[in-house]
Amino acid sequence: SQQGEEDPQALSIQEGENATMNCSYKTSINNLQWYRQNSGRGLVHLILIRSNEREKHSGRLRVTLDTSKKSSSLLITASRAADTASYFCATDRGSNYKLTFGKGTLLTVNP
Amino acid sequence: NAGVTQTPKFRVLKTGQSMTLLCAQDMNHEYMYWYRQDPGMGLRLIHYSVGEGTTAKGEVPDGYNVSRLKKQNFLLGLESAAPSQTSVYFCASSPPPDHSGNTIYFGEGSWLTVV
Repeated sequence: SQQGEEDPQALSIQEGENATMNCSYKTSINNLQWYRQNSGRGLVHLILIRSNEREKHSGRLRVTLDTSKKSSSLLITASRAADTASYFCATDRGSNYKLTFGKGTLLTVNP
Repeated sequence: NAGVTQTPKFRVLKTGQSMTLLCAQDMNHEYMYWYRQDPGMGLRLIHYSVGEGTTAKGEVPDGYNVSRLKKQNFLLGLESAAPSQTSVYFCASSPPPDHSGNTIYFGEGSWLTVV
């Protein structure tokens, strides 16, 4: 069963705008990760946030985690056409290595 | 730097045929995984291994077998392929997790169609 569920399923924005994707999960976690998948390619790790952290930054990425609401958000600022991809959240559900992935958000950034 | 390499990239099988997907990683990772990705379903864990000579079932193991005879290789076998196994298969590897978790490194995928 899916642990993480991303929202929205699809998002289309213009280059330069910010993109926000959300992830909700059901059970307690040790950490939450975000991955990107370009069309026809494998997944690439973007960022990991621990359960005791509330916010983390990496370049144009900002991730927040609210364990009381069991939710996370991924913000991509000043988006570029190259950011067009599917974005997945992944949680460990306590195992610390067996990640469970959501269904993903398809982000399209129009030039 | 190859990372995680999967072969073959594309394959068409007839129902009932068998095949093996090969995965190799050159990062000396202890942990390896096989996931399948289906439209609208996200990625689901089939089998995984926490070290050479070990394997364990994931979320959707039925119809698949795996072997980890060498640390760098993780093989996924389909003994009698079924149309329901049409999917994109991803191999991945990771170091042992530390207290904050671990990052998983994925291969580029293997597209399998069973007709």
